[in-house]
Order: sequence, then C-alpha cells, then structure tokens
Amino acid sequence: EDQVTQSPEALRLQEGESSSLNCSYTVSGLRGLFWYRQDPGKGPEFLFTLYSAGEEKEKERLKATLTKKESFLHITAPKPEDSATYLCAVTSGGYQKVTFGTGTKLQVIP
Amino acid sequence: DAGVIQSPRHEVTEMGQEVTLRCKPISGHDYLFWYRQTMMRGLELLIYFNNNVPIDDSGMPEDRFSAKMPNASFSTLKIQPSEPRDSAVYFCAIRGYNEQFFGPGTRLTVL
Repeated sequence: EDQVTQSPEALRLQEGESSSLNCSYTVSGLRGLFWYRQDPGKGPEFLFTLYSAGEEKEKERLKATLTKKESFLHITAPKPEDSATYLCAVTSGGYQKVTFGTGTKLQVIP
Repeated sequence: DAGVIQSPRHEVTEMGQEVTLRCKPISGHDYLFWYRQTMMRGLELLIYFNNNVPIDDSGMPEDRFSAKMPNASFSTLKIQPSEPRDSAVYFCAIRGYNEQFFGPGTRLTVL
C-alpha cells in the first residue's frame, strides 16, 4: 500500500523567508509524484508532476525536487499569496489510483 | 475548477436522509473520480470511472454509498441513509495527462 507523509503539518513564514516542505513516500515502484495547492473552500490545484529521482520542476517561486524516498517543495522569497495548503500525492500503478498526503498548511505573513 | 462543476456547493441534512451530490465535467475526459476530504483522513479516493464505467469502488466506505455515471457529462454520488460521520467535503475530479483536475467540492454536513 502506498504511503505519503508530509512535514511539517503547518509552517509560518515571514514574507521573503525561504523554506522547504517535505514529502516522504513509500511505494512499490513510483510512477509519478504530484504537488497540488489547495486554497480554503476550493479544490486542489495541480502544480507539478515528477517522474524520476533527480527531476526538478519550477514555477514562479516554487521548485519541486525528487529523490528515491522523498520530494521537496522549495519556496523562495514567499509572498502572502503563497499561503495555502500544499498536498503531495503518489501513484505506483496506473495514474488513476493516487494516494495523497494530509498536506502542509503554509502561512506567509507580510 | 473550470473543468468540473459540482452541485450543490453546500448541503446540510439530517441523519437518515438521502443525499445526492452532482458532478458535471467538461467533455473529452475519459476518467472521472470521486474523493472525500476530512481533517482526520485527508483526501481519499472513493471511486473512479473510465468511459462512464465504474472501475474501482474499493474506497466506497459502505453500501450506503453509491455512484453512477449515466453519460460522459454527468455523475452522481448518493448516500442513503446519511450519517453524521459522512460529514466531509466531497470532490469530483477529471484526469488530464497524468494529473487530476478537481472541482470546487460539495461541503456536506449531516446533523
């Protein structure tokens, strides 16, 4: 059974204070690792897919990296609008059955 | 959210009542998913369809839950009878390339 653990559960940053969110996973053969952003009262919004160790993806102030055991979401010089819950998910079979972590709630203070 | 419409957005009902949640995906996507999200358990896959056919319903918690997809543009998730522990946010999602696109969700409260 695939497992995903995200840490920390909550993170409070000052605007401009860079940090990283962690996603540790256990799967029998990773097919893909996904990062989503979820704002209060909304559905998760897709950010990145990573397929193999060593892969990196970037979008604005966000950079996702992948190793054989974990993924990091690096946030560089965050702004208050980056405040959200960030979800990590993995799939080991087809891309239909995806296992989600419980998320990291990020708050960026002006 | 623009790819998936869910209704109602909020539902408050009493224990024992039947609840029907609706999902209207934009056309052209062959996979449709129903998820449930709670603080305790996070986001859980309930069931998914491929070309309107239910493929895996192993996440459906019990026989009180049922889902249908009569055509490519409409799906329902029904709970009968509802219980307080069913209170959660229910999401419908469609598959893009490998990622999924979620609707805005229905917040269900069972009193």
